[in-house]
Amino acid sequence: DVKVTQSSRYLVKRTGEKVFLECVQDMDHENMFWYRQDPGLGLRLIYFSYDVKMKEKGDIPEGYSVSREKKERFSLILESASTNQTSMYLCASRSGATYEQYFGPGTRLTVT
Amino acid sequence: GQNIDQPTEMTATEGAIVQINCTYQTSGFNGLFWYQQHAGEAPTFLSYNVLDGLEEKGRFSSFLSRSKGYSYLLLKELQMKDSASYLCAVFPSGYSTLTFGKGTMLLVSP
Repeated sequence: DVKVTQSSRYLVKRTGEKVFLECVQDMDHENMFWYRQDPGLGLRLIYFSYDVKMKEKGDIPEGYSVSREKKERFSLILESASTNQTSMYLCASRSGATYEQYFGPGTRLTVT
Repeated sequence: GQNIDQPTEMTATEGAIVQINCTYQTSGFNGLFWYQQHAGEAPTFLSYNVLDGLEEKGRFSSFLSRSKGYSYLLLKELQMKDSASYLCAVFPSGYSTLTFGKGTMLLVSP
């Protein structure tokens, strides 16, 4: 079974803090993704990576950056957290040979 | 651009059949996915259609018509645990990522 894990299920941070969200997958997948999910807006892609050290902006990259130093790990960074970044953050991974994406359990981030 | 439409909410009764529709307009097409997402949890894979027709998997079936840009997810013998959000997602040609609809919240009542 593919396993995608995220470092925290719930996180509370203060405005202006630097926040790191970690995602690890154990299936040697080339592609990894970060989404945020908000009521009424659905899943929106923030960034994705198709290889180590490679990254592409998604639909809403502003206020975020990412890091992929190892194939199994993809980090999402909020340089200076703001209240409008309060959301559910979902990581996903996908093999380069298939189209199915596997999701992690999500991190519910609250910025106060 | 990519556009995916599905109803926001649906209600149904335990034991009944429900059909959740999805229409899409994308630049090219490499397949359509349905995911199930329970409240507070991650989406989980339900089905994948790349050719026209019906794919059946137990109580769940998914249909695709590429010429009409249309898909539906059919849930039979509804159970309370089927109450969840159902996400339609399309893989456009030339893209590396899925495009998701906003999801249909299904509420199953006794």
